[in-house]
Amino acid sequence: KAGVTQTPRYLIKTRGQQVTLSCSPISGHRSVSWYQQTPGQGLQFLFEYFSETQRNKGNFPGRFSGRQFSNSRSEMNVSTLELGDSALYLCASSRDPNSPLHFGNGTRLTVT
Amino acid sequence: SQQGEEDPQALSIQEGENATMNCSYKTSINNLQWYRQNSGRGLVHLILIRSNEREKHSGRLRVTLDTSKKSSSLLITASRAADTASYFCARDSGGSNYKLTFGKGTLLTVNP
Repeated sequence: KAGVTQTPRYLIKTRGQQVTLSCSPISGHRSVSWYQQTPGQGLQFLFEYFSETQRNKGNFPGRFSGRQFSNSRSEMNVSTLELGDSALYLCASSRDPNSPLHFGNGTRLTVT
Repeated sequence: SQQGEEDPQALSIQEGENATMNCSYKTSINNLQWYRQNSGRGLVHLILIRSNEREKHSGRLRVTLDTSKKSSSLLITASRAADTASYFCARDSGGSNYKLTFGKGTLLTVNP
């Protein structure tokens, strides 16, 4: 069974640009979550989707958005990038809310 | 912050020794989970312990949970160099939260 796949693996963008990250969950998993990981703040919850509906959103500005498609694949978008958005963005999927998360290897975003 | 806190922040031991990492949290939980992260990679789920459980084992891993003290510990016995990684506890509050709240992690180094 293929794991959670995130693309691209690395991204370098400049301030003010926007970026879209992609996540393909494990087959059969309908819940997809996104987390931001930085050395200073650690792992911070961004949002969670289930059956194309956002069920929870973390404390991030509106520049951070996401969506989930009917095949459970998910994308997140960050607009008007700031230097502080440099981070490892992790996607995770699970079968249901009470099951453990399966993480992808992340997208390393660097904003210059 | 509602994040859990792990201690120690860093731990260095010799192969064959046991490693104990602790996690404290502030609010009630549905379950508590432990994850491992190798440098620059995604997180891997290790153990999930429910709020009504006190101890759980998986191979060389032993997790305890004390809900009265709002704390958990992860014990790795007979450590190996391959156990070198960061270890995170994550709190699941249940309900309609649909998110995990991660601690800052313990960096474990096992020296050969």
